Amino acid sequence: EAGVAQSPRYKIIEKRQSVAFWCNPISGHATLYWYQQILGQGPKLLIQFQNNGVVDDSQLPKDRFSAERLKGVDSTLKIQPAKLEDSAVYLCASSFWDQWGETQYFGPGTRLLVL
Amino acid sequence: QQPVQSPQAVILREGEDAVINCSSSKALYSVHWYRQKHGEAPVFLMILLKGGEQKGHEKISASFNEKKQQSSLYLTASQLSYSGTYFCGTPYNQGGKLIFGQGTELSVKP
Repeated sequence: EAGVAQSPRYKIIEKRQSVAFWCNPISGHATLYWYQQILGQGPKLLIQFQNNGVVDDSQLPKDRFSAERLKGVDSTLKIQPAKLEDSAVYLCASSFWDQWGETQYFGPGTRLLVL
Repeated sequence: QQPVQSPQAVILREGEDAVINCSSSKALYSVHWYRQKHGEAPVFLMILLKGGEQKGHEKISASFNEKKQQSSLYLTASQLSYSGTYFCGTPYNQGGKLIFGQGTELSVKP
């Protein structure tokens, strides 16, 4: 079974530039998450989608971050304009539910460096 | 509301055992454990439910102390491959999004 795919794997930009990340979840997983992971910390949720609808975007800095999930499959996360403090790894995860609850599977992440 | 993990870091020799704790100030319904190697994505290890049921890794077990609102992850007879940062995640509410702890860095030496 193919895992969660993300691209690009690495990105270096200058502050005030824009950047976009792409995520393709595991087939059949209705729920998709974007996380920000700063070095030395745990993943922090940015936004949660259920199919193509937003469930929770309370932690998303909406003045500069945006995300969409067209057709309930692939998703893109955009930052415009980027700030130095946006340097982090951006992880995408998709999940399924069973009798144990929800299990999330993470993609390899996109490592962003803002100069 | 972020769960607190302890210890922050631990160094083991191959074959030794380790315990990683995850504590929450709010009621826990379940605890999810992940391991992340440097430069890689977090990998799902297990889910531990409030009643003690667990789904996941064959060689890793966990316990749930409801009184302390704490989960402990037990790594026995550690292998070199166990090295990495371990994160616990707790649902924001029952069945909700996960809030992750700050991580415990585990290093297993030969």
